[in-house]
Amino acid sequence: GAGVSQSPSNKVTEKGKDVELRCDPISGHTALYWYRQSLGQGLEFLIYFQGNSAPDKSGLPSDRFSAERTGGSVSTLTIQRTQQEDSAVYLCASSLDWRGNTGELFFGEGSRLTVL
Amino acid sequence: GNSVTQMEGPVTLSEEAFLTINCTYTATGYPSLFWYVQYPGEGLQLLLKATKADDKGSNKGFEATYRKETTSFHLEKGSVQVSDSAVYFCALKHSSNTGKLIFGQGTTLQVKP
Repeated sequence: GAGVSQSPSNKVTEKGKDVELRCDPISGHTALYWYRQSLGQGLEFLIYFQGNSAPDKSGLPSDRFSAERTGGSVSTLTIQRTQQEDSAVYLCASSLDWRGNTGELFFGEGSRLTVL
Repeated sequence: GNSVTQMEGPVTLSEEAFLTINCTYTATGYPSLFWYVQYPGEGLQLLLKATKADDKGSNKGFEATYRKETTSFHLEKGSVQVSDSAVYFCALKHSSNTGKLIFGQGTTLQVKP
């Protein structure tokens, strides 16, 4: 597709279960970002990928959160042993390259996670 | 650290009213500043940007001027439409090597006919 694609769009899970959220960036975009949007909060940065490496993981809130990117394309955000405070919309964005990045990130529509 | 503060919403206006959404930032050095918009049911998209002091970004009738002396980047529009109803996010990009954006908390705008 032409835009950033995220799946699932909605996920309801029980506390303690693991979840995986997927992001398919725009073709050719080497930079990929994960953000979290909680109710009443702004967008919280989680992790940044350049290619398959993650030089900035500073926003991951705990060691229950991890992410990987393979083939310089699709990325998966994994949350282990989910807690109710993990409930949020998880947004993925991509851009051409941080060097050429004028600040325009292209966002997906997000994955809404609800932990019961 | 770097941060962005926006006025709290929701902001409710009548069609054709003047809009201002305040945004101030804290950053070292010389960040680039942005406004992103999230229309209902859609992903965030770039509205406008400014990369250095006194620059004015503009798009779709919206404007914002990068004011270094007041560390502000307020969003304005002279005459809003119902279709402008959305959530608006102010953001900064520090001159680092990641390109990540730091966002404010967002301001919801509701325009009534």
